[in-house]
Amino acid sequence: GEDVEQSLFLSVREGDSSVINCTYTDSSSTYLYWYKQEPGAGLQLLTYIFSNMDMKQDQRLTVLLNKKDKHLSLRIADTQTGDSAIYFCAGTNTDKLIFGTGTRLQVFP
Amino acid sequence: GAGVSQTPSNKVTEKGKYVELRCDPISGHTALYWYRQSLGQGPEFLIYFQGTGAADDSGLPNDRFFAVRPEGSVSTLKIQRTERGDSAVYLCASSTGHYNEQFFGPGTRLTVL
Repeated sequence: GEDVEQSLFLSVREGDSSVINCTYTDSSSTYLYWYKQEPGAGLQLLTYIFSNMDMKQDQRLTVLLNKKDKHLSLRIADTQTGDSAIYFCAGTNTDKLIFGTGTRLQVFP
Repeated sequence: GAGVSQTPSNKVTEKGKYVELRCDPISGHTALYWYRQSLGQGPEFLIYFQGTGAADDSGLPNDRFFAVRPEGSVSTLKIQRTERGDSAVYLCASSTGHYNEQFFGPGTRLTVL
């Protein structure tokens, strides 16, 4: 089955860019997603990319997909303290989402 | 409009007891999903409903877990003979259909003592 891996922790200074990485094993994923989870809150979909795309930009968010290396990344420009949260990548090619283990982003002033 | 709601928000029970967790999806959403998130992990798929029927229950860990959605709206996840390993946050999501955005509820934190 699908296996999705992420680094556990990332710390950045406010105003810098953050890059969160994800690798996956199942190349048949049709869509790949980035979710944000804040303490005590539900998962919030940030953005997604279709598997035939290489890049998608949405305001401060840029998603890069390298299908050959099965690597997905999320870049957050001008990171703010409100961006502190856990970020999950997820893939799907059927009905279920397969989530990574999550990357905790800490933004310090 | 209202999002996905889940009740209770917290549930503490003793080993061996039976629990029910409820999910109210967004009105009109035909697809409903249950996931389980253990501490420090990403959510893991349990079951998916399309309408009233379970289209995929491959994620249910064993026969102690069962879910229903009798009228195609509210769903209940039922866990029999709870074990300490069942302790987790149970998340519900709904969507308008396949491949469409899944909207998540805040979850029910289940603690089995």
